[in-house]
Amino acid sequence: AQSVTQLGSHVSVSEGALVLLRCNYSSSVPPYLFWYVQYPNQGLQLLLKYTSAATLVKGINGFEAEFKKSETSFHLTKPSAHMSDAAEYFCAVSAPLYSSASKIIFGSGTRLSIRP
Amino acid sequence: EPEVTQTPSHQVTQMGQEVILRCVPISNHLYFYWYRQILGQKVEFLVSFYNNEISEKSEIFDDQFSVERPDGSNFTLKIRSTKLEDSAMYFCASSREAGGVSYNEQFFGPGTRLTVL
Repeated sequence: AQSVTQLGSHVSVSEGALVLLRCNYSSSVPPYLFWYVQYPNQGLQLLLKYTSAATLVKGINGFEAEFKKSETSFHLTKPSAHMSDAAEYFCAVSAPLYSSASKIIFGSGTRLSIRP
Repeated sequence: EPEVTQTPSHQVTQMGQEVILRCVPISNHLYFYWYRQILGQKVEFLVSFYNNEISEKSEIFDDQFSVERPDGSNFTLKIRSTKLEDSAMYFCASSREAGGVSYNEQFFGPGTRLTVL
């Protein structure tokens, strides 16, 4: 079974400050991990994904995430927040390639607010 | 860049009515999915579909729900008799086949907001 826990339903940072959104996962097999962003009244956009290659994954809009197996974590970071980063962020887990269990399990989401 | 499309963007219906939500997956994809997101909550898996049959479904996907690929391009979700609690955003997704099982990068459509009155 797989699950994802996002710590903090709401995170607020100042513009220019570090963004850190926390995600811990549970998986009985080596997982694929994802971060999705959802802007107000829009769909889901893939920010980045981990698929068992490099543990430090770079995504769009300056975001990156590091897969830490020992900590079962996949935290999302961005060195300097921009006003346009304000959105809902979802961490998600899925079974790896060549597994029949292909559904994506989403975390409950973290709403990121940016203070001017 | 190819993308998943969904119609309509917003559907309003009366409780007890049937609705059909439509999706056009990316053309070379063979795995299809529906997810839903109740307002303010997380995205939940409903069903996956491959080779004209359901691969997996969640507890949410009861007898009121059905999926169909009526032609070579569309993938539909039907709710037979809508309830108030079916109000949600419904996302379609698709992924490429790899060796007969799903390649796990799923591409999401923009969603259909269903409002049941």
